[in-house]
Amino acid sequence: NAGVTQTPKFQVLKTGQSMTLQCAQDMNHNSMYWYRQDPGMGLRLIYYSASEGTTDKGEVPNGYNVSRLNKREFSLRLESAAPSQTSVYFCASKNPGSMNTEAFFGQGTRLTVV
Amino acid sequence: AQSVTQPDIHITVSEGASLELRCNYSYGATPYLFWYVQSPGQGLQLLLKYFSGDTLVQGIKGFEAEFKRSQSSFNLRKPSVHWSDAAEYFCAVAAKTSYDKVIFGPGTSLSVIP
Repeated sequence: NAGVTQTPKFQVLKTGQSMTLQCAQDMNHNSMYWYRQDPGMGLRLIYYSASEGTTDKGEVPNGYNVSRLNKREFSLRLESAAPSQTSVYFCASKNPGSMNTEAFFGQGTRLTVV
Repeated sequence: AQSVTQPDIHITVSEGASLELRCNYSYGATPYLFWYVQSPGQGLQLLLKYFSGDTLVQGIKGFEAEFKRSQSSFNLRKPSVHWSDAAEYFCAVAAKTSYDKVIFGPGTSLSVIP
């Protein structure tokens, strides 16, 4: 039972480079999320997808784009990385509209932009 | 605006001592409430959740939390802390009318002294 899988686990980018963080879940969840975690700020929502084919901005969407490729996969793209995007990124999934509304998280991607 | 505060950035307790981590939220109505734990280098794991009913909820690893509507609080407690409880703890909320957004507090880092 893999749950939520993120790749890569670690990445170092130069300023201006682009990259895509991948996320896949095998729990048949409708909703998927991307968060960034910074010291003292908890987890802040970047983008989320309530269902396949839909995406919405969260608290801190600037500098990011997302794609909900299918029900399983939700990718996060940095088109032109900046040092301010150095963070740990977490993908999560859950099913809305039911009592089981807790989110399940991946192991995180630690991204450093130099 | 929706928000979650955790007044204690860092707490240190002795092994075997009791623990209480504070969480306050600001919401238009009573939201769903969660506590997550994050061990170093890991993703987030759900400890417990409150949806409705009994205001004292039991979770995994011997944790419990009490919802107090009058204080807009959802404090996490454990009667006797173990060294393995050292981790980061996050309080989170999700609106009952909008299941898709989970808002996290900034986290409390717990250290345990042998």
